[in-house]
Amino acid sequence: DVKVTQSSRYLVKRTGEKVFLECVQDMDHENMFWYRQDPGLGLRLIYFSYDVKMKEKGDIPEGYSVSREKKERFSLILESASTNQTSMYLCASSLYQNTEAFFGQGTRLTVV
Amino acid sequence: AQSVTQLDSHVSVSEGTPVLLRCNYSSSYSPSLFWYVQHPNKGLQLLLKYTSAATLVKGINGFEAEFKKSETSFHLTKPSAHMSDAAEYFCVVSEGYGQNFVFGPGTRLSVLP
Repeated sequence: DVKVTQSSRYLVKRTGEKVFLECVQDMDHENMFWYRQDPGLGLRLIYFSYDVKMKEKGDIPEGYSVSREKKERFSLILESASTNQTSMYLCASSLYQNTEAFFGQGTRLTVV
Repeated sequence: AQSVTQLDSHVSVSEGTPVLLRCNYSSSYSPSLFWYVQHPNKGLQLLLKYTSAATLVKGINGFEAEFKKSETSFHLTKPSAHMSDAAEYFCVVSEGYGQNFVFGPGTRLSVLP
């Protein structure tokens, strides 16, 4: 089975901190994604990557950056955390275009 | 452009009765369609997928969905609800390059004893 692992289930960070959310997949998938999920707003795509060192902005990239130095790892970076970035963050991977995505268990980030 | 509409934000059924969660989509091309389930504070789990093979798709836990191109629908059904089915369900469409997946807003399923 595909496994997508997010480094933390729960995080509490202070306003202004630089925050790293890590995601690792073990099935050699080409595509990786970062979403945030908020009540009433559903899942919104932050960034995705279709190859190593390649990235594309999603719907809400402001305040975030990403890094994909190795195929299996996709990191989401909050350059200067703010309280409006308190959310559930979900990482996903998929083999190719139009194939199903596999999700990690999520990281619930609270910025205080 | 792709979009997904889930017609009900909340569905409530009694245990042992049928489940119907409705999904309509718009897509310029032949889409792939998926249903995911999310239990509280968990990630999303794939229930089933349609990728232009059989129009009636069977998934895990007794769920199935039928792709109807003429109605642009992909409704999720289960003959008999179980308490463990209570969760949030997302219909997802994917076509081609770009954003890759478009999620519906979700339907919360409650199962009453």
